[in-house]
Amino acid sequence: DQQVKQNSPSLSVQEGRISILNCDYTNSMFDYFLWYKKYPAEGPTFLISISSIKDKNEDGRFTVFLNKSAKHLSLHIVPSQPGDSAVYFCAAPGGSGAGSYQLTFGKGTKLSVIP
Amino acid sequence: DVKVTQSSRYLVKRTGEKVFLECVQDMDHENMFWYRQDPGLGLRLIYFSYDVKMKEKGDIPEGYSVSREKKERFSLILESASTNQTSMYLCASSPGGNELFFGEGSRLTVL
Repeated sequence: DQQVKQNSPSLSVQEGRISILNCDYTNSMFDYFLWYKKYPAEGPTFLISISSIKDKNEDGRFTVFLNKSAKHLSLHIVPSQPGDSAVYFCAAPGGSGAGSYQLTFGKGTKLSVIP
Repeated sequence: DVKVTQSSRYLVKRTGEKVFLECVQDMDHENMFWYRQDPGLGLRLIYFSYDVKMKEKGDIPEGYSVSREKKERFSLILESASTNQTSMYLCASSPGGNELFFGEGSRLTVL
């Protein structure tokens, strides 16, 4: 059972426009969410996070919004740049095997920013 | 900066071979993890360790084992490699909070 869902495998956006990446979750016990960015042939790197006590967290061009009632979060990138082209993973602590030690990841969304 | 180093970036092995993937972290983190990444499947946890000589199964432990003899080192072992274990393997460490620090990954191809 997929507890963190990213339903869009890919997204293409023009440079300078907004990129919106979506993530849904099913486990209401999740209280913290993270976004990771991954380039090909590299490990994922932490991008931004949000606690469930907030509904928005901003860091430069990156903003994450959390809608707890809808169990939905989104990552906004404004303005998008070609260097943002990567796979983005949504994640939450907790999961079936390792409990709070574990990050449960979505399947990822591949963002392509077109110059 | 936290550094997580995976010993091999690319490996090619034959079916049935024993494979060792090594991971070392330099930040004295308690927790270490092995994930695999496959297209369309995201990152899936294989095993994790929260202390020396301690290990716990993740979501997909079948066909794998691990070893943590020293705090800084966490090894993933494929006792008898199979073609369905062709994947990108990612090691990560964590001081105990929510953020994981990943290595650069090891791309394993099993022929």
